[in-house]
This record gives sequence, C-alpha cells and structure tokens, in this order.
Amino acid sequence: DAGITQSPRYKITETGRQVTLMCHQTWSHSYMFWYRQDLGHGLRLIYYSAAADITDKGEVPDGYVVSRSKTENFPLTLESATRSQTSVYFCASSELAGKQPQHFGDGTRLSIL
Amino acid sequence: AQSVTQLDSHVSVSEGTPVLLRCNYSSSYSPSLFWYVQHPNKGLQLLLKYTSAATLVKGINGFEAEFKKSETSFHLTKPSAHMSDAAEYFCVVSQAGNMLTFGGGTRLMVKP
Repeated sequence: DAGITQSPRYKITETGRQVTLMCHQTWSHSYMFWYRQDLGHGLRLIYYSAAADITDKGEVPDGYVVSRSKTENFPLTLESATRSQTSVYFCASSELAGKQPQHFGDGTRLSIL
Repeated sequence: AQSVTQLDSHVSVSEGTPVLLRCNYSSSYSPSLFWYVQHPNKGLQLLLKYTSAATLVKGINGFEAEFKKSETSFHLTKPSAHMSDAAEYFCVVSQAGNMLTFGGGTRLMVKP
C-alpha cells in the first residue's frame, strides 16, 4: 500500500551513541518533514526537505542531521544521542508545502538511557 | 507570525452527544487550516482542511469545521460522539512557506 513508513517503531539506546531513524514514502511527494512530539511542547519541526538534496532547518535542529539523496527517503540521524532527545519522532510528507496537508507516519518512540 | 490556540486541553462528552473542540488562530495572511486526529501510538491523521473555498468544511467520520474570519476561529464539531472518537485532536495553521503551526492539542474523552 502507498503511504509513509517509519522504522524502527521503537528504539532504546544509550547516550553518546549514533542512531538513525528511517522514513520512506511511496507517493513521490516533494516535501518531507521531521518532527518531535513531547509533552508540554506539542509537535516541533526539526528539519524539512523541499526535494532531493535540498534540506533546511526547522525550529529545533541542534543535534540532528538529515539527508535526502532520494525523493522517497528522508533519514534522521542523532550523531551523539542525549537524554533530552528522548521523544516520539514523526516523519511527514506533502505534495506541496504550505497550503497542502502533510501526511504523517506512525512515529518512532526513541528512549535514550 | 502565526499561532494557534486550542481553548480546551481536555473535553469529555457522553456517547451520542455533540462534540465541540475550539480553535482560535492568529495569522497575518489568508491561512490554510487543518484538523488532525491522533489515536494512541499512531501518527496524525488528517480530518479536514480549509483552503479558502467554502467556509463550512466537511471531513471524515462525520466531523466538520467552520472557518469564521471575523472571529479568527475554526472550531471542530460532530453531532454525535462515538467511542472510537476518543483521541487527541490538533488544530493546525499553515501560512506561506513550509511551516505548520500546531495547537497544543485537545484530548477528547467519550463516556459510555
């Protein structure tokens, strides 16, 4: 089925480790986004991408790295995980930015010990 | 700058009674507005969207919302709540560019 899938769904790791969260969409949407969801903060944009090889920072980019070598994939890497990065991470995509809705994956619950 | 305020963090209704989830927005230009629903351990699912066409917008699962520019509101309603409607609901505004602004969310509880 077409859609947006995130992997893994759950991940536990230790501080200082590198971890990569995967996001894959089958719609060929131009735009892709990464959010984190935390109690008391709602959803906050980490990074977004307008097309392959084009990425830009969102509201909370520090400590994260993204890449977009192919339109359908948008991995998010935590280079050296910290406890403050424990969160639920959502990937989203949209056909166009702004006026069009974004379509969300089911999220990755990441715990950093 | 744009902002979204969901006026109630929690709403509790009985099954079969109407649902009203309130949302006010602030936007410099003509916005697009969305309502999303999030069930436990799931992503956000689009319920409906307003993009400057009809002010009364119908969505999935019997939900609808009315865009009122004079009141800067976009309240979500449903005539009759179902147990499966229990979830968290987000009002979202989109303006120029790539940024969405999310409200803080309203948790809807449905009592049998």
